[in-house]
Amino acid sequence: DAKTTQPPSMDCAEGRAANLPCNHSTISGNEYVYWYRQIHSQGPQYIIHGLKNNETNEMASLIITEDRKSSTLILPHATLRDTAVYYCIVRVGDAGGTSYGKLTFGQGTILTVHP
Amino acid sequence: GAGVSQSPSNKVTEKGKDVELRCDPISGHTALYWYRQSLGQGLEFLIYFQGNSAPDKSGLPSDRFSAERTGGSVSTLTIQRTQQEDSAVYLCASSFPGLARNEQYFGPGTRLTVT
Repeated sequence: DAKTTQPPSMDCAEGRAANLPCNHSTISGNEYVYWYRQIHSQGPQYIIHGLKNNETNEMASLIITEDRKSSTLILPHATLRDTAVYYCIVRVGDAGGTSYGKLTFGQGTILTVHP
Repeated sequence: GAGVSQSPSNKVTEKGKDVELRCDPISGHTALYWYRQSLGQGLEFLIYFQGNSAPDKSGLPSDRFSAERTGGSVSTLTIQRTQQEDSAVYLCASSFPGLARNEQYFGPGTRLTVT
């Protein structure tokens, strides 16, 4: 699986959008971009994933550049409960979008949402 | 419905003793994963079970570590002759690969302390 690079930490004001970048310049054509987050003392939680199109769900939006070498996770209205470590992961998937096997976590970005 | 459960939640053991950690995955999930997270370290993959296939043991750090999954459901991670460097939070996750996003659902973890 391709390696990812994320800033070690970011701050965001409550109610504002949080934009978390991720570089994955060696991503392959069949690798998907996944985002998970880990709130303190809990297990990681899936947020969103995508291949090349932008994706949106109830939690966040994922913007992937046209060359797929980087992406941005957007939390549109950050709350204090969004304070967590955010992990960007690339993972091989099939044509149907299903990925298998382990997740390879990097160091992630510590997002702190302040009042 | 019920999520992934792990037991015990905390375990303190003396160096050299054997320990068993248990994981109950979400009912119907055919894939089961073990990870560990040491203080100040990222999440490290240990082992992956998928249905009746041979498990992916590529992440086990030494032959003191082993895991089994009985009846395609409950899994036990065994650490023999524990060492202080085995102290970590051990996380279990399960998933259903039949779903496109195949997200992994994580349990709360077992905090292992080796004295």
